Amino acid sequence: AQSVTQPDIHITVSEGASLELRCNYSYGATPYLFWYVQSPGQGLQLLLKYFSGDTLVQGIKGFEAEFKRSQSSFNLRKPSVHWSDAAEYFCAVGGNNAGNMLTFGGGTRLMVKP
Amino acid sequence: EAGVAQSPRYKIIEKRQSVAFWCNPISGHATLYWYQQILGQGPKLLIQFQNNGVVDDSQLPKDRFSAERLKGVDSTLKIQPAKLEDSAVYLCASSLGPGARQPQHFGDGTRLSIL
Repeated sequence: AQSVTQPDIHITVSEGASLELRCNYSYGATPYLFWYVQSPGQGLQLLLKYFSGDTLVQGIKGFEAEFKRSQSSFNLRKPSVHWSDAAEYFCAVGGNNAGNMLTFGGGTRLMVKP
Repeated sequence: EAGVAQSPRYKIIEKRQSVAFWCNPISGHATLYWYQQILGQGPKLLIQFQNNGVVDDSQLPKDRFSAERLKGVDSTLKIQPAKLEDSAVYLCASSLGPGARQPQHFGDGTRLSIL
């Protein structure tokens, strides 16, 4: 069965500091990996996705993530955090079969100090 | 393009009552998903439609939850009777087609509180 673990429930960083959110997955085949962001009272917005190829993927809002197969990880990074990045971040894993569902991690809540 | 529309945004009911949520996906999106997001957790897929057919409902509590997408566009999710543990945000998402390669677009959700 597929699963996603986000070890950090809460993270607080200062504005302008760098950010790394951790994601570890379990999937029996080649995974498709995603990061979504959710602001309070809103739905999820896709930040970036990995299907194949270059293991460093760029997303919206200055985010990037690196796929490391040997570590079963897909960590999200941003070099300089802005106050507007405060939100909840979800990592998700899926597969290439039609109808194969996405499995989400429990989320990491990011707080940004001024 | 217009996003995924959901209504109502909030609903408060007592346990054992019934409730229904509505979702209008992005125009042209054949695949529609309903997720349950309990406070402090990630979304959990309840049911996936491809046009008006069910692709996956393995995690839908069928004794109390039902969903339909009769004309392959709008969808409704119903809970009858509601239990306290059904308190959650119900998210609808849509995509052009099935499979994880197709990005899912989410609505803002319906927040359900059971008293």
